[in-house]
Amino acid sequence: ETGVTQTPRHLVMGMTNKKSLKCEQHLGHNAMYWYKQSAKKPLELMFVYNFKEQTENNSVPSRFSPECPNSSHLFLHLHTLQPEDSALYLCASSQEGGNSNQPQHFGDGTRLSIL
Amino acid sequence: GENVEQHPSTLSVQEGDSAVIKCTYSDSASNYFPWYKQELGKRPQLIIDIRSNVGEKKDQRIAVTLNKTAKHFSLHITETQPEDSAVYFCAASGWNNNDMRFGAGTRLTVKP
Repeated sequence: ETGVTQTPRHLVMGMTNKKSLKCEQHLGHNAMYWYKQSAKKPLELMFVYNFKEQTENNSVPSRFSPECPNSSHLFLHLHTLQPEDSALYLCASSQEGGNSNQPQHFGDGTRLSIL
Repeated sequence: GENVEQHPSTLSVQEGDSAVIKCTYSDSASNYFPWYKQELGKRPQLIIDIRSNVGEKKDQRIAVTLNKTAKHFSLHITETQPEDSAVYFCAASGWNNNDMRFGAGTRLTVKP
């Protein structure tokens, strides 16, 4: 399944670097999400965009900055990260707007390592 | 906000046996409960979901049960196969996906 594509798959960066993660969905969905997946911890919802508008932040540190230029693309800009930010970052999308929840479709994730 | 607890964290079964994974949630307003399977190095994939107006749902060897009164739901896998080995996540949310909360996951190993 190539419905949600994330690049890069792996990223190693120093604490002072600036990098961006990219997500693209080809499913015609109108909502996109960023999750952080750390070992032995629940998936943590970081950001939600519905119809390109951010609707959820979940108190994520400002060193993570999302951008959603259109309903098919989502970016996560990274700056001055900490070693504890090393994790798998997953993007997901879904079709929202009705009166019931819809499943989220995930990408393969970007494995981020902070040196 | 919602809090989802998942047990056990690891589960090992013999091929052909059944596996059961249980989750509890705290928010009585939650009404959507998906289950995801994540194989090593791969993306989480939806395997089954259930909504609060249904008590049980089945899809071949996989079934999910929901007890709204007790606020818990379970995943049942029958006739397990080695390819069922993966990490399974439960989740719960309300009327939209902005409040989706996941359990910590269960690592299932099916021994041939």
